[in-house]
Amino acid sequence: AQSVAQPEDQVNVAEGNPLTVKCTYSVSGNPYLFWYVQYPNRGLQFLLKYITGDNLVKGSYGFEAEFNKSQTSFHLKKPSALVSDSALYFCAVRDPNRDDKIIFGKGTRLHILP
Amino acid sequence: GAGVSQSPSNKVTEKGKDVELRCDPISGHTALYWYRQSLGQGLEFLIYFQGNSAPDKSGLPSDRFSAERTGGSVSTLTIQRTQQEDSAVYLCASSLGGTGVGNIQYFGAGTRLSVL
Repeated sequence: AQSVAQPEDQVNVAEGNPLTVKCTYSVSGNPYLFWYVQYPNRGLQFLLKYITGDNLVKGSYGFEAEFNKSQTSFHLKKPSALVSDSALYFCAVRDPNRDDKIIFGKGTRLHILP
Repeated sequence: GAGVSQSPSNKVTEKGKDVELRCDPISGHTALYWYRQSLGQGLEFLIYFQGNSAPDKSGLPSDRFSAERTGGSVSTLTIQRTQQEDSAVYLCASSLGGTGVGNIQYFGAGTRLSVL
């Protein structure tokens, strides 16, 4: 069965610094990978996804993520953090050879310090 | 409507009572998911519907939990004999279904369930 791990419960970054939110996955085949963000008191919003092609995927709000097959990772990155990026971030994985079920990680809370 | 709609937005109930949570997916979306988000916890998968196929119930935590989807559209999650540990935000999501496609999930705002 597919699974995804987010090893950090919380990440603190100073405004203007680069940020990384880590995600590793486990699937039997080639994965579909997603990042979602949850702002306070709001529903989850899609940020970006990797299906195939370039390992570096660009998404909303200046975020990007790099697919690394050898390390089974899909870390979320942004070159310069904003205070408004403070939110809960979820990584998700789907095994396209099985079904449409998508499994989410436990989430990482990102705090951007002014 | 334009997005996934969940009702009620908040539900307070007494321990031992049954509750029903409703989800209206985006029109045309064949896949529908229920997740549970507890305070300080991540998203816990509960159940997944895809078209007319038998649902994947592998995430339901106990037999007190059940869900149905009528006519391939609206879904109801039912919790019987609620317990305090059932208190959480219950999220519904829908997507265009089908294997081999990286469909995006669209989430509702959730139902916050409080069991007293």
